[in-house]
Amino acid sequence: NAGVTQTPKFQVLKTGQSMTLQCAQDMNHEYMSWYRQDPGMGLRLIHYSVGAGITDQGEVPNGYNVSRSTTEDFPLRLLSAAPSQTSVYFCATSGTSAYEQYFGPGTRLTVT
Amino acid sequence: TQLLEQSPQFLSIQEGENLTVYCNSSSVFSSLQWYRQEPGEGPVLLVTVVTGGEVKKLKRLTFQFGDARKDSSLHITAAQPGDTGLYLCARFMPYNNNDMRFGAGTRLTVKP
Repeated sequence: NAGVTQTPKFQVLKTGQSMTLQCAQDMNHEYMSWYRQDPGMGLRLIHYSVGAGITDQGEVPNGYNVSRSTTEDFPLRLLSAAPSQTSVYFCATSGTSAYEQYFGPGTRLTVT
Repeated sequence: TQLLEQSPQFLSIQEGENLTVYCNSSSVFSSLQWYRQEPGEGPVLLVTVVTGGEVKKLKRLTFQFGDARKDSSLHITAAQPGDTGLYLCARFMPYNNNDMRFGAGTRLTVKP
């Protein structure tokens, strides 16, 4: 039982490149979300999903896309990376809502 | 705008000391969560408080939710080096577009 897994662990991109951060869970949770964590800012919600086929925007959605085709996976796409997207990204899941969330280990992204 | 204000931002104490950290807002919470995050890992949920005036204990950690549900505190008795980490409070508003907001955190260091 792996819980919440995220890949890659580290990534360096050049400005303008695209990439997908992967998130997978084996807890059969309906609610999944993506956060970014920056020094002094806490975690900020990017996008979330309440179930397969349903996604919505969080506090800071610009520059990011998501989709939810299965219960298990919730990838986060950066279409054209910018230095402002340098951050640590966390995926989280919850059984029915964001009430009690389980976080993955994070992806540290640097955009140069 | 930081909707959740945590204080202090940094705290460094000796093993065996007691400490209290705070989470405050001008808004009323429906519920509030406390997480602990260790370096290189995702946050881990410690507790959820729901009722105004509620007190919950988790071993040496005591969590209190203010009567007006606008503030919360975390008290640690006889701190140990294993308590070192970033303590985050978070509030979830399921009736406000599933909005989830975190404070910036209190970074605690307990020296042996």
